[in-house]
Amino acid sequence: KAGVTQTPRYLIKTRGQQVTLSCSPISGHRSVSWYQQTPGQGLQFLFEYFSETQRNKGNFPGRFSGRQFSNSRSEMNVSTLELGDSALYLCASSLDRGSIGELFFGEGSRLTVL
Amino acid sequence: SQQGEEDPQALSIQEGENATMNCSYKTSINNLQWYRQNSGRGLVHLILIRSNEREKHSGRLRVTLDTSKKSSSLLITASRAADTASYFCATDGNDYKLSFGAGTTVTVRA
Repeated sequence: KAGVTQTPRYLIKTRGQQVTLSCSPISGHRSVSWYQQTPGQGLQFLFEYFSETQRNKGNFPGRFSGRQFSNSRSEMNVSTLELGDSALYLCASSLDRGSIGELFFGEGSRLTVL
Repeated sequence: SQQGEEDPQALSIQEGENATMNCSYKTSINNLQWYRQNSGRGLVHLILIRSNEREKHSGRLRVTLDTSKKSSSLLITASRAADTASYFCATDGNDYKLSFGAGTTVTVRA
């Protein structure tokens, strides 16, 4: 069974640009959660999508958005990038809602904003 | 904001020794999970313990949960070099969000 796949793995952007990250969950998983990981703030919850609907959102500005498609694949978008957006963005999938059971994480997309 | 806080922040032990780390949290939970992260990689689920359980084992891992003290501990016995990683506790709330602590970095010396 294939694991969670995130693309791209690494990317470099400049301030003001926008970026889209993609996440393919494990087959059959309906929930996709996104986390931002930085050395200073640790793992911060961004949002959760379940059956194509955003079910939860963390404390991030509106520049951070996401969506989930009918095949459960998810994308997150960050517009007007700032230096502080440099981070490892992790996607996790699960069978049911995010906190009920085990999360399966992808390897992450490492974003560097110059 | 982070619900769980791990202690210590870092731990260095000799191969073969046991490693113990603790997690404290603030609000009531349905379950608590532990994850491992190797440098710059994704997180790997280790164990989930429900609020009505007090202790759980998985291989060389032992997790305890004390809901009255709002704390949990993770014990890794007979550590190996491959156990070098960061360990995170994660707690849920009624809002289905899973909140992670800042993590404990464990270094196992050969």
